[in-house]
Amino acid sequence: GQQLNQSPQSMFIQEGEDVSMNCTSSSIFNTWLWYKQDPGEGPVLLIALYKAGELTSNGRLTAQFGITRKDSFLNISASIPSDVGIYFCAGPLMNRDDKIIFGKGTRLHILP
Amino acid sequence: DAGVTQSPTHLIKTRGQHVTLRCSPISGHKSVSWYQQVLGQGPQFIFQYYEKEERGRGNFPDRFSARQFPNYSSELNVNALLLGDSALYLCASRLGGTLLETQYFGPGTRLLVL
Repeated sequence: GQQLNQSPQSMFIQEGEDVSMNCTSSSIFNTWLWYKQDPGEGPVLLIALYKAGELTSNGRLTAQFGITRKDSFLNISASIPSDVGIYFCAGPLMNRDDKIIFGKGTRLHILP
Repeated sequence: DAGVTQSPTHLIKTRGQHVTLRCSPISGHKSVSWYQQVLGQGPQFIFQYYEKEERGRGNFPDRFSARQFPNYSSELNVNALLLGDSALYLCASRLGGTLLETQYFGPGTRLLVL
């Protein structure tokens, strides 16, 4: 079935560095969603992408909808301590208007 | 304004027992979805309810059931609990029934089955 593969699984970076993570699927998605989850909290939507090739920013975050519609990228510039958390990509299944699937997440750690 | 609230925050049950988890959506939101998040994984869709009717169901056994009340709050029920049901159960609400609308997650109920 459709699934989303996120890489890397985890990252250890220095504060101030830029971060890049991606999400791929063997199936086409019409919408890509990027969420962040802090410990003890539910996921929070960061960016939504609706069109192939779309590049959208939210502050220091930038996400792109891949041209093939099978991948998406999330970049974080000049990381700060509060960027720590788990980042999930997600999207609605094709031909299903009731179900969103999530990747397994990329866990971001920032070294002092 | 209050966000999505869930109760209880934590719960410990034993195998074979039954559990009821509760969710109150953001005021004005008519759609509630339930997700199961096992440790180290992303949330997995269980149910969506919109205007008190089930709009979608994920690949979960019949031991899982849910309902939505006239005030749009929702309950998730799990019967005959198994050890593998231990997880964070997340509720999310959205204004309408379409997936393209932003959904807002609650903090979750952490269930431990012993």
